[in-house]
Amino acid sequence: KAGVTQTPRYLIKTRGQQVTLSCSPISGHRSVSWYQQTPGQGLQFLFEYFSETQRNKGNFPGRFSGRQFSNSRSEMNVSTLELGDSALYLCASTPGQETDTQYFGPGTRLTVL
Amino acid sequence: AQTVTQSQPEMSVQEAETVTLSCTYDTSENNYYLFWYKQPPSRQMILVIRQEAYKQQNATENRFSVNFQKAAKSFSLKISDSQLGDTAMYFCAFTGHNDMRFGAGTRLTVKP
Repeated sequence: KAGVTQTPRYLIKTRGQQVTLSCSPISGHRSVSWYQQTPGQGLQFLFEYFSETQRNKGNFPGRFSGRQFSNSRSEMNVSTLELGDSALYLCASTPGQETDTQYFGPGTRLTVL
Repeated sequence: AQTVTQSQPEMSVQEAETVTLSCTYDTSENNYYLFWYKQPPSRQMILVIRQEAYKQQNATENRFSVNFQKAAKSFSLKISDSQLGDTAMYFCAFTGHNDMRFGAGTRLTVKP
């Protein structure tokens, strides 16, 4: 099976812009989680989608949003970008149980100038 | 709140030797799962090993094994016969019935 894919792999934006990141899970996986990884804060959970519904949400401002499509592909959107949003954004998929092992994608490296 | 603590930001080990990475966690749940993930430089995060809290037997996966002490809320990872390819960031993670929580990571360097 193909692994989790994320597009784009690298992105450069300026403050105030918005960005959309995409994640395609492993075939058959119905859950997609998003994480922000920074050197200072480590890995922080953003949100999780299961069957097109947000099932869990981390402690991030409303500028961070997501959605999931019927084919389980997920997108994450960040509006009004700030310098502090520069990070590696990882998505992970699982078959569906919250205790399943997560399979990670390679990440999208976002740089905000 | 569920927290995961990795107290060793960096470690190093000589090739072929054994190293143990520490992890403690805090939770009020009784049923949960613990993981060790590995993130090599500029590469994808991958699962190393997984432990179900209801299992008393420590999980093992080839050269990787854990020492799970449920009462102490401790979950250490032992890497035997360290190889150069083991050089990576190692993250301890916890999940109950909500989101997965990660520790800050331990950067392990295997020296030739």
